[in-house]
Amino acid sequence: DVKVTQSSRYLVKRTGEKVFLECVQDMDHENMFWYRQDPGLGLRLIYFSYDVKMKEKGDIPEGYSVSREKKERFSLILESASTNQTSMYLCASRGSYTGELFFGEGSRLTVL
Amino acid sequence: AQKITQTQPGMFVQEKEAVTLDCTYDTSDQSYGLFWYKQPSSGEMIFLIYQGSYDEQNATEGRYSLNFQKARKSANLVISASQLGDSAMYFCAMREPRGFKTIFGAGTRLFVKA
Repeated sequence: DVKVTQSSRYLVKRTGEKVFLECVQDMDHENMFWYRQDPGLGLRLIYFSYDVKMKEKGDIPEGYSVSREKKERFSLILESASTNQTSMYLCASRGSYTGELFFGEGSRLTVL
Repeated sequence: AQKITQTQPGMFVQEKEAVTLDCTYDTSDQSYGLFWYKQPSSGEMIFLIYQGSYDEQNATEGRYSLNFQKARKSANLVISASQLGDSAMYFCAMREPRGFKTIFGAGTRLFVKA
C-alpha cells in the first residue's frame, strides 16, 4: 500500500519561528511536491523536486525553502513564520511523469 | 499561462442521482493530462480519474466518468448514483506538458442529501 506521511497533522507556531514540515514517501518516487491549500484558492504549488538535491520553485515560493537530501524525504521550511502562512500544507509524490499525485494527510499550520 | 477554472463553489445532489461537476482549462499546448481528486472532510486527497489529451475515449472509473470535450477545453466529472460518502471537495487538475507541475482549480464542494 502506497504511503505519503507528513510528520505533523496540526502545528501552532509564533510569528518569527522557524518551522519544519517533513514528508516521507515509501514508493521510491522521484518527484515530490509541496502545496498549500486555502479556501477559494484551491491548491497552489510552493516547491517541487524531481530528484535528490534538485528543486524548482512553484507558483508561490516566497517565504519558503525546501530540502531533499534523500529520495524518500522532502522537507518544507518556513525560515521566519508569518501569520499569512497559516494554511493547510499538502505533500505529494509522483512515480512517473504522466502519473497521478499521491498525497499525504496534510499539515494544518497556525501562526499566531 | 495554464489555468483551471471550477465555477461551482458548492453543489447539492439527491442521493442516487447523477451529478456533473464542471471544469474548464486553459492551455495552448496539445499534450497534457487532466485529473480529478476528491478530498473528504478528513483532508486527504484521493485520485479519482485521469484523461490524457490524446485519449479519444472518455475515461471511466466505476461510478466516475470524465466528459472530455477538447475543443471546448472542458473536463467535467460525472458521478452516477450519488452516495452519502460522495460528500466532499472535488478538485480538477492539469499536468503541464513541459515540466513537472500540476495545477489545480479552486474546487467544488459537493453535498449529497439523503
